[in-house]
Amino acid sequence: GESVGLHLPTLSVQEGDNSIINCAYSNSASDYFIWYKQESGKGPQFIIDIRSNMDKRQGQRVTVLLNKTVKHLSLQIAATQPGDSAVYFCAEKDQGGSEKLVFGKGMKLTVNP
Amino acid sequence: KAGVTQTPRYLIKTRGQQVTLSCSPISGHRSVSWYQQTPGQGLQFLFEYFSETQRNKGNFPGRFSGRQFSNSRSEMNVSTLELGDSALYLCASSLVIWDRVFDTDTQYFGPGTRLTVL
Repeated sequence: GESVGLHLPTLSVQEGDNSIINCAYSNSASDYFIWYKQESGKGPQFIIDIRSNMDKRQGQRVTVLLNKTVKHLSLQIAATQPGDSAVYFCAEKDQGGSEKLVFGKGMKLTVNP
Repeated sequence: KAGVTQTPRYLIKTRGQQVTLSCSPISGHRSVSWYQQTPGQGLQFLFEYFSETQRNKGNFPGRFSGRQFSNSRSEMNVSTLELGDSALYLCASSLVIWDRVFDTDTQYFGPGTRLTVL
């Protein structure tokens, strides 16, 4: 199977709990951020994005928070479900610069029933 | 609308050989990016193509190359394979790359091609 989850920090939560996955980004010029979810054997799946002119954006059961002062991004998942178990990546992009999407190392979320 | 498709899904090669991977983007998407994913290095950007032109390139040796066709389909080639090239190669497509309208920069990934070099 897919070994993308090896060597990654892991967060284990109970079903129904809220999960918070954090990401520190490196480029202060980055102005676009995305969270992706990758399940075993699949490619990354878009969850939610946020631009630097916002500090919060909400989706269905997910919220992304952006703190540009400390270059920190977080993904909050409400009422975590077993289907949320996956590796989560944050990605940053400097749209006025290289325009390349730079991915963080990822965090493995395990939801226990 | 069909998603990003990649072929083949799995590939086994030996050192010194070359390989060509294919990616078909979402219909209407003109930008295609390639990434290498390994457990140790994570997701690393290889290159990005738009309108048959390479627009961005990551820090990979010249053995890694790509191209894009007029129908936006893309191929990447790796020559003189090394053991360290074993990885999941992911392709992602997006609508446009310079439009600043919200949500159009989102990259949608295919399932990847798992390359094993023996």
